[in-house]
Amino acid sequence: AQSVAQPEDQVNVAEGNPLTVKCTYSVSGNPYLFWYVQYPNRGLQFLLKYITGDNLVKGSYGFEAEFNKSQTSFHLKKPSALVSDSALYFCAAGGSYIPTFGRGTSLIVHP
Amino acid sequence: SAVISQKPSRDICQRGTSLTIQCQVDSQVTMMFWYRQQPGQSLTLIATANQGSEATYESGFVIDKFPISRPNLTFSTLTVSNMSPEDSSIYLCSRRESSYEQYFGPGTRLTVT
Repeated sequence: AQSVAQPEDQVNVAEGNPLTVKCTYSVSGNPYLFWYVQYPNRGLQFLLKYITGDNLVKGSYGFEAEFNKSQTSFHLKKPSALVSDSALYFCAAGGSYIPTFGRGTSLIVHP
Repeated sequence: SAVISQKPSRDICQRGTSLTIQCQVDSQVTMMFWYRQQPGQSLTLIATANQGSEATYESGFVIDKFPISRPNLTFSTLTVSNMSPEDSSIYLCSRRESSYEQYFGPGTRLTVT
């Protein structure tokens, strides 16, 4: 069975500082990896994905994520956080079928 | 990105009643999905709705409680039947692209009293 772990319920960062939201996964075969963001009272929005190719993938709003096969991780990163990045972030992982979602990490960016 | 709408956006219902949630996508798609997101928790897949076939339900979800229709390639409904307060949740529909990412509707916030 596939699973996703987001070890931090909440991440706090000051505006302008780099941010990292952690995700590790367990998937049989080649993993399909995704990050989604949920702003308050809104649905989930797709940020980025890794299917194949370069380990560093870039997505919307300046976010990027690095696929690390040996550590089975897919951490979300941004070089300089904005207050408007404050939201709930979900990692998802699976095979070619339906991914499993992590429990989410609340990112709070302080002015 | 895909445009997905859901109706209603929110509702307050009495226990024992049923609510049907509608999901409309802007272009034809084979696979649509229904999720439940309980407060402070992750998304739980209820079922996969493919046009022209019965929905496929995940463990813990049954058709009698959550009947799903998929009459065409741009529309689906989820009914929450015989509701109890434990059904209070946000219900989300989504579509999956051929490139594997999913796009989600804005959600239906259901409160059962």
